Amino acid sequence: AQKVTQAQTEISVVEKEDVTLDCVYETRDTTYYLFWYKQPPSGELVFLIRRNSFDEQNEISGRYSWNFQKSTSSFNFTITASQVVDSAVYFCALRDNDMRFGAGTRLTVKP
Amino acid sequence: KAGVTQTPRYLIKTRGQQVTLSCSPISGHRSVSWYQQTPGQGLQFLFEYFSETQRNKGNFPGRFSGRQFSNSRSEMNVSTLELGDSALYLCASSFRTGGITEAFFGQGTRLTVV
Repeated sequence: AQKVTQAQTEISVVEKEDVTLDCVYETRDTTYYLFWYKQPPSGELVFLIRRNSFDEQNEISGRYSWNFQKSTSSFNFTITASQVVDSAVYFCALRDNDMRFGAGTRLTVKP
Repeated sequence: KAGVTQTPRYLIKTRGQQVTLSCSPISGHRSVSWYQQTPGQGLQFLFEYFSETQRNKGNFPGRFSGRQFSNSRSEMNVSTLELGDSALYLCASSFRTGGITEAFFGQGTRLTVV
């Protein structure tokens, strides 16, 4: 069964702290895609990153970095030096036949 | 470049009525997907259209239907509304289907059924 687990329901940090959001997925397919989206209070899901199952190269983009490990079926997301504007709900998603989202992690960054 | 546009933004309907939601994708995008977001069930996939054909369907009753037009605009219809259909309905567009290209979301239509 296709499944995405975000074990952290809520995380609260103080501005400038680093924070890692965890995502574990399950799929039987060998070809699949993984995503991270951010949902601010306005409601619109903002695309952050997409990775395919053949691309395990991890990446750093500004304050964001991703750690994709097929061996542990994990696709974690890290924000370095968090800012108040990073406060949002973050969703991890898996796409093979259809799209399945995790339950989301609500990140609150306090000044 | 305009983003994904969903109309209306807010809607209040009565139980038993039907509703049609509209989604205009980003220009050039041919794939449109629909999702339902509720506090209890989270984000759930409804269906995906590509070039006017439904490619995938989530686990929702037949009261939920959709279609895509030749200009890639899509509509979603819910008939015989129930209180549990109250949700934020999100539409996403992408250039290709299957997750090959990233999907961009609209701001959603918040439907309240009373």
